[in-house]
Formats: sequence, C-alpha cells, structure tokens
Amino acid sequence: GDSVTQMEGPVTLSEEAFLTINCTYTATGYPSLFWYVQYPGEGLQLLLKATKADDKGSNKGFEATYRKETTSFHLEKGSVQVSDSAVYFCALGGGNNQGGKLIFGQGTELSVKP
Amino acid sequence: DGGITQSPKYLFRKEGQNVTLSCEQNLNHDAMYWYRQDPGQGLRLIYYSQIVNDFQKGDIAEGYSVSREKKESFPLTVTSAQKNPTAFYLCASSSTDQVLSNQPQHFGDGTRLSIL
Repeated sequence: GDSVTQMEGPVTLSEEAFLTINCTYTATGYPSLFWYVQYPGEGLQLLLKATKADDKGSNKGFEATYRKETTSFHLEKGSVQVSDSAVYFCALGGGNNQGGKLIFGQGTELSVKP
Repeated sequence: DGGITQSPKYLFRKEGQNVTLSCEQNLNHDAMYWYRQDPGQGLRLIYYSQIVNDFQKGDIAEGYSVSREKKESFPLTVTSAQKNPTAFYLCASSSTDQVLSNQPQHFGDGTRLSIL
C-alpha cells in the first residue's frame, strides 16, 4: 500500500542554519503531497502542498518540490528561526486513497537554538 | 472565524469506562476524520466519514465508535474495549472532491486522553 517515510529526528539546528527534512513516498496513481507542522500541544497546520509532479509548494520561507522521478518531497528552508521549532509531518493524499484520506510519515522534530 | 473545535482539551478515563470526545466544525466540510497520535508514530486513522449518517473504519478502529448525525459534528467514543487509550486524539475535516482528492485537511487542537 501507499506509504510515507521521513528522516528521523530530532533535528537540532542553530538559528539561521539551512534546513532540509527528507520525505520519500510510495504510491500508485497520482497523489498530492503535503507538509504539516505541529507546535507543542496543538493540532496540525497545513504548511504547504503540491498536487502534481514538478509543482513547488511554498509558505513562510519553506519550500518543497514534488519529484516523481525520485518519489520525494523534501522540505527546505534557507534560514531557520527559533519559532520554527516544531514537529513536521509529510503526508500523501489522493491517488488510490479514496475519500480524502491522508497517509502520514512519522514526523520529524525540529529544535532551533538561538 | 471558521474552524474545528475539539473538547475537552484533557480527559481522564477510569477502568471500564466509556468516554466521548467532541469534534465540531463550522467549515461546511463534508468529510471528517479521527486520528490517534502516539509519540514517534505519527498519526493513525481511526474512523472517517464522507457524508452524514455514513462512516468507515480506518486502520485502528477496534475499541472505538463514532456517529455522524449532523454535518458539523463527529464525536468519537473510546470504549472500555480499547485497552491502551492513552494518546493524543486529533479530529480533522476537509471538503471532498471525489475526482481530485487533493483537498488538505484542517485539524482541531486535539484532546489528550489519559487513564486514571
């Protein structure tokens, strides 16, 4: 079945460092890909999405490109801030997943130090 | 403001007790979902509903039950049959497009359930 694999955390960076969180997927059909962010004690917020190959999603300085050839959707940010500390989830939807169901990776915790 | 409201924020369950978690949305979304989140395991789908009076089991439905009598509401009951209920429970909703299925889900702030 469809699946999502994220790099394990926690990831610890200094402020203004470059961030990459790897996400790869396995899917049949033509899924959409999402990144969600979860701050402590809260629910998930949609960060960005891409609906077809070569699409680039971007929001708040974060970017991710839908790479069908490498089945990847890596999250990047050029200069992280302390306020970016959170757990980041890569998710897959559509394709053969009917009813709008999402399949989530296990999450990657990011900690940014001043 | 439109959104999803989960209540209570914290809930405690005694042995042999059923408890119900509330989820209400005013986004006019057709589809609603319940997820369970355990540390290091991401989110796992418990139940989902695409339309009023209809719902389907997700990956870990055993020990849980739901109802969908109104479009706005999708309560989750954690029954005494669920032997390990301690977790963070998240409710979500989305509009549905059966052709594209690329609509993002909107999440509530969660309910943390613990055993007394």
